Amino acid sequence: DQQVKQNSPSLSVQEGRISILNCDYTNSMFDYFLWYKKYPAEGPTFLISISSIKDKNEDGRFTVFLNKSAKHLSLHIVPSQPGDSAVYFCAASGKKSSGDKLTFGTGTRLAVRP
Amino acid sequence: GAGVSQSPRYKVAKRGQDVALRCDPISGHVSLFWYQQALGQGPEFLTYFQNEAQLDKSGLPSDRFFAERPEGSVSTLKIQRTQQEDSAVYLCASSSLDSLYGYTFGSGTRLTVV
Repeated sequence: DQQVKQNSPSLSVQEGRISILNCDYTNSMFDYFLWYKKYPAEGPTFLISISSIKDKNEDGRFTVFLNKSAKHLSLHIVPSQPGDSAVYFCAASGKKSSGDKLTFGTGTRLAVRP
Repeated sequence: GAGVSQSPRYKVAKRGQDVALRCDPISGHVSLFWYQQALGQGPEFLTYFQNEAQLDKSGLPSDRFFAERPEGSVSTLKIQRTQQEDSAVYLCASSSLDSLYGYTFGSGTRLTVV
């Protein structure tokens, strides 16, 4: 049972345009959500997070939106840059601390075309 | 060290062989996690340590998998009698107890069982 789903395995975007990566979850006990970015042969690196008490969190070019009623979150990257090309994982946790396991989606591979 | 260090980076094991994977977390990080990432999938939780205490081992797939962190720093994940389905990247992550910014992952150990 996949509790965190990323239904788009890949996405291609022109440099300078917006990239939108989507994630859906089924477990209503999740209350903290994170996005990780992964380059080949490296571990995932933390990008941005959002607590369930918020509906938006912004950090530079990256914004995460949370729609609790729809159990949906999205990551917006604007403007997209070639260096953003990587696999992006959505993850969810049951509490807002590091002492809880993360449930990951299967990832979306983003390619930003120059 | 500056990051989470895992060794070896690559391991090829014959089916039935025992393997040991090492993780050196960031100095002072209380929490340590092991995840398994199969090809084309997101990381899946295996086990969690807080200092030397293994607080959650619900993700270990069988009793062939064993993890320890005897002194609350370095951790070892041991897989006995390896099978082909154990082939995956094994990721270690660490964090301070109250971190709100997710974990820091190592680059992983890619295990191939032949």
